[in-house]
Amino acid sequence: EPEVTQTPSHQVTQMGQEVILRCVPISNHLYFYWYRQILGQKVEFLVSFYNNEISEKSEIFDDQFSVERPDGSNFTLKIRSTKLEDSAMYFCASSDDRNEKLFFGSGTQLSVL
Amino acid sequence: QKEVEQNSGPLSVPEGAIASLNCTYSDRGSQSFFWYRQYSGKSPELIMSIYSNGDKEDGRFTAQLNKASQYVSLLIRDSQPSDSATYLCAVNEPGFGNEKLTFGTGTRLTIIP
Repeated sequence: EPEVTQTPSHQVTQMGQEVILRCVPISNHLYFYWYRQILGQKVEFLVSFYNNEISEKSEIFDDQFSVERPDGSNFTLKIRSTKLEDSAMYFCASSDDRNEKLFFGSGTQLSVL
Repeated sequence: QKEVEQNSGPLSVPEGAIASLNCTYSDRGSQSFFWYRQYSGKSPELIMSIYSNGDKEDGRFTAQLNKASQYVSLLIRDSQPSDSATYLCAVNEPGFGNEKLTFGTGTRLTIIP
């Protein structure tokens, strides 16, 4: 069964550093998403991406965050200057249509020290 | 503020019994409703989706939707120890298809052998 893959599985960084989280969505999917889950809290929507542009973003997704599809397979989330409160599990997801179900990747655990 | 409410649990159910999980949502315009299962430290895995009032059955799982009461539930029949997980209710934001989901905090279910 096709799956969304994310790398790395764990990322440790110092506060103020830039991080890039990488995702390979399912190959025929057109919609891509980032969600995050702070330990013990709910899964939160960050951003959706379609046709090489952001289609929707939450209030969490401020100027420190950016997304990119640098080639035909990868989808990345960049955090420019990490803060302690950015520590969370970040999930990438994809779907083949905005009205179809989302498939989640296994996540990247980001720890900001 | 869109809200999805769930009892956090833990909910303990004997093996072989029926587990009943409940969720309420605040936005009457929501059209798509999902139940995800999340094992500790893992990504959400879609169990059921439901879009119309009434019941939808898939194997041991039954989702129930009542839009008038803004209520969605998940029944798990013949509960197994492998069903022990956190169950997340997710609801779409009106006007956004399924690309922007609001999640509840989840109900932690423990199946007692």
